[in-house]
Amino acid sequence: ETAVFQTPNYHVTQVGNEVSFNCKQTLGHDTMYWYKQDSKKLLKIMFSYNNKQLIVNETVPRRFSPQSSDKAHLNLRIKSVEPEDSAVYLCASSLRDWAYEQYFGPGTRLTVL
Amino acid sequence: GDSVTQTEGPVTLSEGTSLTVNCSYETKQYPTLFWYVQYPGEGPQLLFKVPKANEKGSNRGFEATYNKEATSFHLQKASVQESDSAVYYCALSDYNQGKLIFGQGTKLSIKP
Repeated sequence: ETAVFQTPNYHVTQVGNEVSFNCKQTLGHDTMYWYKQDSKKLLKIMFSYNNKQLIVNETVPRRFSPQSSDKAHLNLRIKSVEPEDSAVYLCASSLRDWAYEQYFGPGTRLTVL
Repeated sequence: GDSVTQTEGPVTLSEGTSLTVNCSYETKQYPTLFWYVQYPGEGPQLLFKVPKANEKGSNRGFEATYNKEATSFHLQKASVQESDSAVYYCALSDYNQGKLIFGQGTKLSIKP
């Protein structure tokens, strides 16, 4: 099956803990993205990578860091979570750049207690 | 900077009625415009995109015309179904910053 896969589906953690989310795409795309979707459904890009190279790095807190091992994988690490990090984190990919159709994974819902 | 503004949600309609979700944008560029749809429990997926002004995009009974003069890209459907219940996002391509700019999303609920 060709798609964008994310793990875990859900994660509940305490303030100050470190979390890591995984994303893999089997579509053969060159560019991958991380988005944050808040409780009001606002969708904001955080990072994008093209062939393992960071292209877009929005103004996000430094505790967020993307990790790319190859062009099919883009993980997201949050070093010390805060309550405002509670959200759905969506991974996406596109064939070339942002102007191409983006394919999204189902998301990882993070709850910070 | 570039921005996209949509109809404030949530919007609730009865099955069989017509739908318009307004989308207005601000940019100094000539963007490609997109509509994405997000069904419950899933990530957003592309409904359609329109790269050129005065052209129309359509898919699954939805359509929108790229109106450069009015800077609008309103989503329409003549007769909605319960399965259309979802969140709809209007977006534009920001070539300067190399990313998509999404509107705030419009949650649509269709009553049978």
